[in-house]
Amino acid sequence: DAKTTQPPSMDCAEGRAANLPCNHSTISGNEYVYWYRQIHSQGPQYIIHGLKNNETNEMASLIITEDRKSSTLILPHATLRDTAVYYCIVRASTQGGSEKLVFGKGTKLTVNP
Amino acid sequence: DAGVIQSPRHEVTEMGQEVTLRCKPISGHDYLFWYRQTMMRGLELLIYFNNNVPIDDSGMPEDRFSAKMPNASFSTLKIQPSEPRDSAVYFCASSSTDRLGADTQYFGPGTRLTVL
Repeated sequence: DAKTTQPPSMDCAEGRAANLPCNHSTISGNEYVYWYRQIHSQGPQYIIHGLKNNETNEMASLIITEDRKSSTLILPHATLRDTAVYYCIVRASTQGGSEKLVFGKGTKLTVNP
Repeated sequence: DAGVIQSPRHEVTEMGQEVTLRCKPISGHDYLFWYRQTMMRGLELLIYFNNNVPIDDSGMPEDRFSAKMPNASFSTLKIQPSEPRDSAVYFCASSSTDRLGADTQYFGPGTRLTVL
């Protein structure tokens, strides 16, 4: 079962920031927060991940609360091409190993012109 | 890099036929994953390999499904015999882990399977 809770859908105006929330109140100390998205008819695409600190890359920013029980993915200037289902996943990473990604239902983000 | 390559992109077959899906992971990645996506069940992990060895196949629906990874650059997912309920999009993904054990999975474009 997914360990995260996300709103089923959100809307955002083109050019504005999209802030996608995720609750993960049972997260463990060794679990990372990952974000993936899936544009219609394509395979999921990695966006960003973090453990404790806020992270930023060319696609998005990830803000993790101090208690790590929730996080927010920020797309600073949403475009129509950002319309997709966004998945927040928590997953333990062990040294030299790989754990399963368990995809929940995600948030369907619609960017409107 | 061309990314994860899957073939065929679309497959239509009749119930009872054997279906073989193919995947070429990204060069240098040591993990390979097979997922299935349906409207009803969402995206589910079927099986994953590490260094060509199956690690967890608990998601494989039943004995009709089998997966192999004969070398680091090729994997197959076989369904025999196929049934209409196997109709889905099947994704292959590959990854490697960094020194902290975190990884990024890269997904292929998927194979859309329709079993009539």
